[in-house]
Amino acid sequence: ILNVEQSPQSLHVQEGDSTNFTCSFPSSNFYALHWYRWETAKSPEALFVMTLNGDEKKKGRISATLNTKEGYSYLYIKGSQPEDSATYLCSYGNKLVFGAGTILRVKS
Amino acid sequence: EPEVTQTPSHQVTQMGQEVILRCVPISNHLYFYWYRQILGQKVEFLVSFYNNEISEKSEIFDDQFSVERPDGSNFTLKIRSTKLEDSAMYFCASSGGQYQETQYFGPGTRLLVL
Repeated sequence: ILNVEQSPQSLHVQEGDSTNFTCSFPSSNFYALHWYRWETAKSPEALFVMTLNGDEKKKGRISATLNTKEGYSYLYIKGSQPEDSATYLCSYGNKLVFGAGTILRVKS
Repeated sequence: EPEVTQTPSHQVTQMGQEVILRCVPISNHLYFYWYRQILGQKVEFLVSFYNNEISEKSEIFDDQFSVERPDGSNFTLKIRSTKLEDSAMYFCASSGGQYQETQYFGPGTRLLVL
C-alpha cells in the first residue's frame, strides 16, 4: 500500500515569513506528484504537477521541487500572506494517494 | 473559466438506499475521477475513468460502487446500498490527460447516510 506523508501537520507563521513543507512518497515506479491548495469550503485547487526528477516549478510566490530518487517534494512559499492560509495537499502515483495535508495559517 | 460542477451539493439518505452523485466535467477533458474524504481523514481516490471504462480503482471501490458517463457531459457515481461509513464529501475531478496532467476538482457533494 502506497503511503504519502506530509510534514509538518500544521504551521503558523507571520505575514512576510517564508515557509516550506514536505511531501514524501515511495521512490520506486514514479508517475507524477501533484500539489493542491485547499481552502475551507472550496474544492482543491491544482498548484503544480511534478513529473521529472529535479523539476522545479513556480507560480508567483509559490514554488516546488521534486526529488524522485529520494522520494520527496518541497513546496515553498515566499513572503507568506494571510490569503495563503489553506491546507496544502500532495498526491502521488497512478492511484493518486493523498497525504494528510499541511495546514498553513498566516497571521497578519 | 471552465469548471467542474457537481450536484447535489448535499444529500441525506437512509442506510440501504441507492444514491447517484452527478458531475459535469470540463467539456474537452478525457479523464474523470471520483474521490472522497471522510470527515477528519485523508482524501481518498476511488476511481478513474477514460474512454468509457474504468482505468484504475482503489480497494474502496467495491461492487457497491459504479460509475457511468450516460451522455456526453455527465459523469455519475452510484452507490447501490449506502452504509453509514459512506458518509463523506465526494469530489469529482477531470483532466485533459492522465496522471501527468492537472486535475480540476468540483465543489463536492456532502453525503450523509443515516
